[in-house]
Amino acid sequence: EAGVAQSPRYKIIEKRQSVAFWCNPISGHATLYWYQQILGQGPKLLIQFQNNGVVDDSQLPKDRFSAERLKGVDSTLKIQPAKLEDSAVYLCASSLTSGGAREQFFGPGTRLTVL
Amino acid sequence: QKEVEQDPGPLSVPEGAIVSLNCTYSNSAFQYFMWYRQYSRKGPELLMYTYSSGNKEDGRFTAQVDKSSKYISLFIRDSQPSDSATYLCAMQGGGADGLTFGKGTHLIIQP
Repeated sequence: EAGVAQSPRYKIIEKRQSVAFWCNPISGHATLYWYQQILGQGPKLLIQFQNNGVVDDSQLPKDRFSAERLKGVDSTLKIQPAKLEDSAVYLCASSLTSGGAREQFFGPGTRLTVL
Repeated sequence: QKEVEQDPGPLSVPEGAIVSLNCTYSNSAFQYFMWYRQYSRKGPELLMYTYSSGNKEDGRFTAQVDKSSKYISLFIRDSQPSDSATYLCAMQGGGADGLTFGKGTHLIIQP
């Protein structure tokens, strides 16, 4: 079974530029999450999708971050414009469905550096 | 006070030792408790999850939950150099599916 795929693996941009990350979850997984992991911290949930609908985006900085999952499979996370404090690893995770202790499988992450 | 507190370490122990990793939490709504292992430049992978207070064992790993004290632990027996990684506790509940993580403990097993 293929795991969660993410690209690019690394990205370096200057502040005020925009950037987009892509995630392909495990086949058949209805629930998709984006987490932000700042160096030395645990991952923090940004947004959760169930199929192509948003379930929880309460911690997403909506003035600069946006995400979509148009066909209920792949997802993109965008930052526009980026700030220095956005430097982090952006992790995508998927689970079979939502509710209860559903194992979340994580991708390798995209490491973003904002200069 | 953060919802989940975890000592970031580093924690360095000799090979073969028993390792004890711990987290405390403040949110009584948490129902599920997990331990993830994260190697450098990789995503977290699930090691153990528990639902109720008590112990759960899987090979060399034992997860322990004490809901009355809001305290969870992970024990690693016969530790190996390959166990060197960051161990993240994570919690879920209160109607939310997203995980709330601790900072992670950086564990080093010395050969």
